[in-house]
Amino acid sequence: KQEVTQIPAALSVPEGENLVLNCSFTDSAIYNLQWFRQDPGKGLTSLLLIQSSQREQTSGRLNASLDKSSGRSTLYIAASQPGDSATYLCAPSYYGNNRLAFGKGNQVVVIP
Amino acid sequence: NAGVTQTPKFQVLKTGQSMTLQCAQDMNHNSMYWYRQDPGMGLRLIYYSASEGTTDKGEVPNGYNVSRLNKREFSLRLESAAPSQTSVYFCASMEDRDTEAFFGQGTRLTVV
Repeated sequence: KQEVTQIPAALSVPEGENLVLNCSFTDSAIYNLQWFRQDPGKGLTSLLLIQSSQREQTSGRLNASLDKSSGRSTLYIAASQPGDSATYLCAPSYYGNNRLAFGKGNQVVVIP
Repeated sequence: NAGVTQTPKFQVLKTGQSMTLQCAQDMNHNSMYWYRQDPGMGLRLIYYSASEGTTDKGEVPNGYNVSRLNKREFSLRLESAAPSQTSVYFCASMEDRDTEAFFGQGTRLTVV
């Protein structure tokens, strides 16, 4: 079974600090990996998509890195803001199927 | 731009009742998915449809059936609801494996 682990499960940081969210996956034969954001009571919104041939992807204050050989991806959020409070989920997809496998998420609270 | 629309948003069922959750996307995507989200379990794939006319089982298909009615619509049916099916259900779609996934806002289902 392709397992996805996200550490830490929850964290609180003061506004302005940088956030580092970790995702590890057991099967290194990934096709690509997406990071999503989920606000309470809402659906998921895709933040970044990293192809397996890429090492990182950036969008504004967000940067995601991918290391296939070690089975890890990291999401960096620079200069965090209260509006960044949400749950962040990573989801690799694998060769041979068209599915996304989800971790349980990193629940983030940014304290003003 | 509606994206992925799910109906209903909330539903309470009695054990043994049946119902169909509706999902429609207006982005002309090929692939569509049904997930359930439970506290502490993360998102788990129930069924998916890689293209119009095809459906496949995910991790937790027991107790559910699906229909890919056309390219836009993918419905999930509970024939005889059980309390273990109390969950939040999400529908998602993707154009192909190289593009981001879009999620609906979810259906909160309670089975009593």
